[in-house]
Amino acid sequence: NAGVTQTPKFQVLKTGQSMTLQCAQDMNHNSMYWYRQDPGMGLRLIYYSASEGTTDKGEVPNGYNVSRLNKREFSLRLESAAPSQTSVYFCASSEFGAGANVLTFGAGSRLTVL
Amino acid sequence: KQEVTQIPAALSVPEGENLVLNCSFTDSAIYNLQWFRQDPGKGLTSLLLIQSSQREQTSGRLNASLDKSSGRSTLYIAASQPGDSATYLCAVSQASGANNLFFGTGTRLTVIP
Repeated sequence: NAGVTQTPKFQVLKTGQSMTLQCAQDMNHNSMYWYRQDPGMGLRLIYYSASEGTTDKGEVPNGYNVSRLNKREFSLRLESAAPSQTSVYFCASSEFGAGANVLTFGAGSRLTVL
Repeated sequence: KQEVTQIPAALSVPEGENLVLNCSFTDSAIYNLQWFRQDPGKGLTSLLLIQSSQREQTSGRLNASLDKSSGRSTLYIAASQPGDSATYLCAVSQASGANNLFFGTGTRLTVIP
């Protein structure tokens, strides 16, 4: 009963470096999401994947790319990290769309960009 | 754009006290509202989901109410315990087919033994 697993939990990058955050779920959910959480702000949607093979932009997609590798896995890539991308990143999944279904969240990945 | 506000940002209460957390949203055309709990360094855990047609939802010592027309929801916690200490977030969905939730910034609750 792992739920949603994110790796890594912590990462420090220098400006301009690239990295990929990995996310996997074992609940056979169709939809997956990447959110970022910043102090004083609510969680904001970066990208989502409504079903395997599809991805769409959320509220704050600039500077990020995603890949829905298969039904289980949804990765988030920062091609050239910037200090403004310092944040805590959460992956989530739901059986179908977030509008009508409960989301299950991973434990988060704390990213610092120097 | 929907904006969700939670006041206060932080709250401390003695153990055993009943308490109410508030959530307000600017656009009353919502599909549902969810309350989440977030422990330090952890992800969010869904507590209660209220459909727009419902007035309240209960789970154990938790009771969430929804007044869609006034753009408000409350989370009532009865007989608070130190284990209830966490940040509580509310989030609204605009439509059943939506793929985004609009989150509040949360209320950090501390229950003092």
